[in-house]
Amino acid sequence: AQSVTQLDSQVPVFEEAPVELRCNYSSSVSVYLFWYVQYPNQGLQLLLKYLSGSTLVKGINGFEAEFNKSQTSFHLRKPSVHISDTAEYFCAVSDPGANNLFFGTGTRLTVIP
Amino acid sequence: GAGVSQSPSNKVTEKGKDVELRCDPISGHTALYWYRQSLGQGLEFLIYFQGNSAPDKSGLPSDRFSAERTGGSVSTLTIQRTQQEDSAVYLCASSLAGLRGHGYTFGSGTRLTVV
Repeated sequence: AQSVTQLDSQVPVFEEAPVELRCNYSSSVSVYLFWYVQYPNQGLQLLLKYLSGSTLVKGINGFEAEFNKSQTSFHLRKPSVHISDTAEYFCAVSDPGANNLFFGTGTRLTVIP
Repeated sequence: GAGVSQSPSNKVTEKGKDVELRCDPISGHTALYWYRQSLGQGLEFLIYFQGNSAPDKSGLPSDRFSAERTGGSVSTLTIQRTQQEDSAVYLCASSLAGLRGHGYTFGSGTRLTVV
């Protein structure tokens, strides 16, 4: 089974600064990769996904992520964060033939004014 | 409906009681998933329904947990004889025709507290 590692449980960053949230997954022949965001007291919302093709994926709210097969990573980035980006971010992975997604333990992003 | 609807949003129950959590998926989504989100532990897969196929129950933590999906739409997750370690947010998600790269649409969850 797949596994996902999000090494940073908490990331504080000042408003308008860049941010990178790290995600690594266990190796597989091919995978689908996802980032989800969870705002307080809400469900998870899809930010972006990688299925195939270009390794740089752009998502909503100015976020992007880069798939790196050799490093089995799918780090999430944003060049300039806003207060409203404060939330929990989850990386998820699946094998194309799998029934379900495997989630990381999440990274809490706190944007400081 | 426009999104995945879960009820109740919050549930407090006494240890040993049974609880039922409801999920109403997006109309037309044939796949339905239940996950459990415990503090600091990410999301734990519980069960998966796809159309009329037998559900994938591989994630259910014990035989106190069960789920059904009636008419290919609404699903109910039942926890019998609740324990304090069952306290968590239970999330439901639905998807078009199984995962296949579509990702999930999640509900807002049911926060279960066992006292």
